[in-house]
Amino acid sequence: GAVVSQHPSRVICKSGTSVKIECRSLDFQATTMFWYRQFPKQSLMLMATSNEGSKATYEQGVEKDKFLINHASLTLSTLTVTSAHPEDSSFYICSARVGSGRSYNEQFFGPGTRLTVL
Amino acid sequence: QQQVKQSPQSLIVQKGGISIINCAYENTAFDYFPWYQQFPGKGPALLIAIRPDVSEKKEGRFTISFNKSAKQFSLHIMDSQPGDSATYFCAATYRSGSRLTFGEGTQLTVNP
Repeated sequence: GAVVSQHPSRVICKSGTSVKIECRSLDFQATTMFWYRQFPKQSLMLMATSNEGSKATYEQGVEKDKFLINHASLTLSTLTVTSAHPEDSSFYICSARVGSGRSYNEQFFGPGTRLTVL
Repeated sequence: QQQVKQSPQSLIVQKGGISIINCAYENTAFDYFPWYQQFPGKGPALLIAIRPDVSEKKEGRFTISFNKSAKQFSLHIMDSQPGDSATYFCAATYRSGSRLTFGEGTQLTVNP
């Protein structure tokens, strides 16, 4: 199957700092990438959808100025949590949608990034 | 109308038993129903998926049953193993590749 990586796998930061999380599709081109947040023992909550070369579409209630998303290429999307606070501590997961080939339109998930804000 | 309801919230079965997780949806426009398996601290992994033009799909020990008229689908894990202990999420989407709508998740524990 297609492989999606995330970096870093875990990060601890002080309140008020910004944190950047990278999501890469390693062996396919991703026309669309999705960013999710997951709190303990809860389901995945979609934060935003990003298409290469265009602005991300944010879900209702997600602050676009706080969660900056950049999808600069067909293999890389980044999520920057700006001025992070303890309530932003969560498990952030990206997924990438395959743009062509046998797995066209399938979504593959990254391993997630555990963010802890002190 | 976009919700997917999943039950049970948690499930404990004995090794070798059958695990059954159920999901129900409202939006009849959904045309792709994947199941994901997630281990603690990991991202979800696609387990098996079905389209509404078939009533059942089997891959190894995993089977999806789909009831279009009832707008329900379920995951059956045959011969459940301790290694199957994980959280399972059903989801629904349009095959065109739009957003996934996830169920609430089921934490499965398979006792040895």
